Parts: sequence; C-alpha cells; structure tokens
Amino acid sequence: DADVTQTPRNRITKTGKRIMLECSQTKGHDRMYWYRQDPGLGLQLIYYSFDVKDINKGEISDGYSVSRQAQAKFSLSLESAIPNQTALYFCATSGGHNSPLHFGNGTRLTVT
Amino acid sequence: GQQLNQSPQSMFIQEGEDVSMNCTSSSIFNTWLWYKQEPGEGPVLLIALYKAGELTSNGRLTAQFGITRKDSFLNISASIPSDVGIYFCAGRAGGYQKVTFGTGTKLQVIP
Repeated sequence: DADVTQTPRNRITKTGKRIMLECSQTKGHDRMYWYRQDPGLGLQLIYYSFDVKDINKGEISDGYSVSRQAQAKFSLSLESAIPNQTALYFCATSGGHNSPLHFGNGTRLTVT
Repeated sequence: GQQLNQSPQSMFIQEGEDVSMNCTSSSIFNTWLWYKQEPGEGPVLLIALYKAGELTSNGRLTAQFGITRKDSFLNISASIPSDVGIYFCAGRAGGYQKVTFGTGTKLQVIP
C-alpha cells in the first residue's frame, strides 16, 4: 500500500463547482503539503501544515482552501473551480526539520 | 522569492552515456534534494544533501551540494532506458522554510 494516498486519481468537473481532493498518509509524519504541477513550471506550493492546528499559505493559495482533519489527513478544496485550475495536484509529507518530502501519486484535475 | 534555475530543460542521450544536470539558486540553501518523476506518478526522492561540499551516491546516481550552497548537480552514469523521466532539483533554506522546486530536466534515453 502507498504511504501517501490521494483520492481521486482523476477528476473532471465544471466551472463553478466545489470539489475536494483528499490525502491520507501512513508515514506518521506531522508535516503535510499540497502542490500544484503545470507543464514547464515545476511544483508550486499551495498550502502546508506542520501539525493538526497549523495551516499556512503557500505561493499560490488564492482560490484554494485546506483542512487538516487529523495528523494523517489533509484535504484541498476548490470552492468554485475555474479552468485555469486544471493541473496535476500532489500531496506530500515530511517527518520534520530538514526532512525530505514524500509525494503521493497525484490527482489529475480538469475543469471545463 | 527564491528561484531555482535547472538545466538543461531536456536531454536525448544514447543508452550507456553519462548524464549531468544542475541547479542554481538565487539564494543560499541548507538542503538540496533530487527527485525523479515518471508518467502518472508522484516525484520520488533520489538523493538528499545536507552539507556544503557533500557528495552522495545512490547506485549509478551521484549528487553534490555546491560549496557556495547556491548550486547542486546530479550525474547519472551508464544510462539505461528506465532512467527516462523528469528529474527535479529542490532546495530548502532552513528547517521551517518551504521547499522550492526547479522546473525539471526531461531525460529521454535512446536504446
């Protein structure tokens, strides 16, 4: 089983719809992250959380919100999806100070 | 904000050849990370570097943390077809700082 699991793997939605992407981890890590990947732009940080009571904005948080429901769960919401949010979304975890990131397999989101 | 320049953007090489790619930063990092991403999957950690000058190997892969702390390189020796993918560098300025990613090097290996 994957240590970092993202659901769904693929999602097509219409402009204006609210959608939620979910991430769960079995690594026991405190830190969790949401990244967006667009071709040629690498990975951009949307939100991150260092523990259950901690939420921080990343580089591109506008149009997104997150919820850290438990140490193992971190969900990303698009309140009103728009076409330029079409991208590959990755959840990641890390074990603490200076630890590397461990990624899930991504959610491919298409907004029509 | 911090910027990472990764080069080259893409490479076509013959199987068996050695590969070199690098990243430079506009600011100092205290951690450098190298990842590989294959189609339909998330990035997978290859090598983590924590000290200026550090040289670390993982099989046929070798990465170095530059002395200036503003650059890092990754070498792959004797490439094979399964080395195909996108390689990302990433850096972190401190334990509580976010990780910044390069834009990736797309590697294609011709059998």
